Amino acid sequence: AQSVTQLDSQVPVFEEAPVELRCNYSSSVSVYLFWYVQYPNQGLQLLLKYLSGSTLVKGINGFEAEFNKSQTSFHLRKPSVHISDTAEYFCAVSVIQGAQKLVFGQGTRLTINP
Amino acid sequence: EAGVAQSPRYKIIEKRQSVAFWCNPISGHATLYWYQQILGQGPKLLIQFQNNGVVDDSQLPKDRFSAERLKGVDSTLKIQPAKLEDSAVYLCASSLEGSALGGYTFGSGTRLTVV
Repeated sequence: AQSVTQLDSQVPVFEEAPVELRCNYSSSVSVYLFWYVQYPNQGLQLLLKYLSGSTLVKGINGFEAEFNKSQTSFHLRKPSVHISDTAEYFCAVSVIQGAQKLVFGQGTRLTINP
Repeated sequence: EAGVAQSPRYKIIEKRQSVAFWCNPISGHATLYWYQQILGQGPKLLIQFQNNGVVDDSQLPKDRFSAERLKGVDSTLKIQPAKLEDSAVYLCASSLEGSALGGYTFGSGTRLTVV
């Protein structure tokens, strides 16, 4: 079975500062990796995903993430955050073979302070 | 393309009552998922359909929860009777043939409050 651990439940940062949201996963088989964002009272929106190829993945809204197979990590980064980035961020995995479904981490609440 | 439609958006019921949620996936998406998101937690898969067949319902509390997708298109999730701990957002998602390559699209969810 797969599992995802998001190491920080809350991350407060100042506007225009860089941010890193950490994600580690556990799986005995190869996986795809995802980051989703959830704004208040809304559904989940895909930020980016790693399927194969380059380990540095760029997504929407200036976010990027790096897949590190040896450390089983998929940390999300943004060089300069805005107030509008305030949201809940979820890391998720999906197996490559078989019945594919998303397994989510607990989420990280990103709060941007002016 | 139209997104995943869910209704109602909000529902408040008393414990021991029953409730039903509806989901209409993106046209052509064979795979449909129901997730439960308790406040402060990540979404947890309740059930996965491939067309009108169940692929995975291992985490569905079958004594009170049921779901169907009779014609392989829209789906209904029911809770009967509801408990206080069922208060959560219920998210529906769909994908093309259950493939991560095609991506997963989520609806806005139904927020259930059990009092």
